[in-house]
Amino acid sequence: DSGVTQTPKHLITATGQRVTLRCSPRSGDLSVYWYQQSLDQGLQFLIQYYNGEERAKGNILERFSAQQFPDLHSELNLSSLELGDSALYFCASSVRGTPYNEQFFGPGTRLTVL
Amino acid sequence: AQKVTQAQTEISVVEKEDVTLDCVYETRDTTYYLFWYKQPPSGELVFLIRRNSFDEQNEISGRYSWNFQKSTSSFNFTITASQVVDSAVYFCALENYGGATNKLIFGTGTLLAVQP
Repeated sequence: DSGVTQTPKHLITATGQRVTLRCSPRSGDLSVYWYQQSLDQGLQFLIQYYNGEERAKGNILERFSAQQFPDLHSELNLSSLELGDSALYFCASSVRGTPYNEQFFGPGTRLTVL
Repeated sequence: AQKVTQAQTEISVVEKEDVTLDCVYETRDTTYYLFWYKQPPSGELVFLIRRNSFDEQNEISGRYSWNFQKSTSSFNFTITASQVVDSAVYFCALENYGGATNKLIFGTGTLLAVQP
């Protein structure tokens, strides 16, 4: 158990809908990362937050947004969902979010868009 | 540009065989970290090893061993006497030293199937 929690574990929704994925980092970790694992794109970095502020952005679609709250949990919002958004979404956390800080991964949220 | 290549898409072995998973990386950084993760059928990412670019010593942990060679930009992973429970997708990853961030760049993964 990495100490990173993600809810829900599974999510099934329809095209055009909006969903929110939630992540609670390990106690003491200030940085949160979101990764998407899809058949087309493999495992890719989406976005990183550090202590409430966006630190780095990867190939995140404009329909997706994220936030880190004062209690350090993070939410990934996916809107106008398309079939291709079906994927496993991982959250990871680290202490400072700078190089050489190990990332710990949560169990993932499996999103299915029908 | 930073990139990780895992040329082996799928490998199938019979139990007790040794198997090596290849990983080749590209980076302009002189200091970086490399990782291996295991993803079993249940889907979670299991951390296996982290190695920094200054430490080229091979590492052994039980049936697992890693061979890091900077000269060939490779970080290969060997499982000795494979077992059915080793069946999983294995990812090699490079920590991107972007100054402010340490996002991971993953390879495409190698699916290892160990047959009884």
